[in-house]
Amino acid sequence: GAGVSQSPRYKVAKRGQDVALRCDPISGHVSLFWYQQALGQGPEFLTYFQNEAQLDKSGLPSDRFFAERPEGSVSTLKIQRTQQEDSAVYLCASSFAGGFSDTQYFGPGTRLTVL
Amino acid sequence: AQSVTQLGSHVSVSEGALVLLRCNYSSSVPPYLFWYVQYPNQGLQLLLKYTTGATLVKGINGFEAEFKKSETSFHLTKPSAHMSDAAEYFCAVSPWMDSSYKLIFGSGTRLLVRP
Repeated sequence: GAGVSQSPRYKVAKRGQDVALRCDPISGHVSLFWYQQALGQGPEFLTYFQNEAQLDKSGLPSDRFFAERPEGSVSTLKIQRTQQEDSAVYLCASSFAGGFSDTQYFGPGTRLTVL
Repeated sequence: AQSVTQLGSHVSVSEGALVLLRCNYSSSVPPYLFWYVQYPNQGLQLLLKYTTGATLVKGINGFEAEFKKSETSFHLTKPSAHMSDAAEYFCAVSPWMDSSYKLIFGSGTRLLVRP
């Protein structure tokens, strides 16, 4: 079956612009995660949804970052007034049930470059 | 707070040689442990995971890892490297004891395979 898909794959934004990144999880997966991966680093957790409920947003770096999953499937990560330090790969992952040991399946990521 | 340490940002081996990638975690209570592989411009793919039970875990592509509680380690090994193993490898923990569903990743080890 289809895996996790993300769009766009690449995004270039001028500093101060708003961007929206989309994630389509695997069909039927309850849990959805967003991670930020800076160049040469491991992914860092941003936020977590179970169905449409955002249960953990402790990793969002500032109030410029906002995520939603209104119908419990597709999710959008929005970054307002982008800054150069927001340049990174944004990874989306989904898991079937969201248990602590569940495998998270990752999408290919969106590479955001802020000029 | 939980943390993951991967010793060696780059590991270089000859084709056919043993692969050993090191991972240590910080928790006194064993977390769930994962190894992921990332090929260029792709998302992360699960190699293997340890939750409970047998401490020697076998994964895909001939990789295996052994959980050693006394050493707080979960090193990844493969008896004979193949050129196609060249990629970035990430160790991750699921800090279930903190009631968090996120993964905490190490900074990664890039595996280079020499012909």
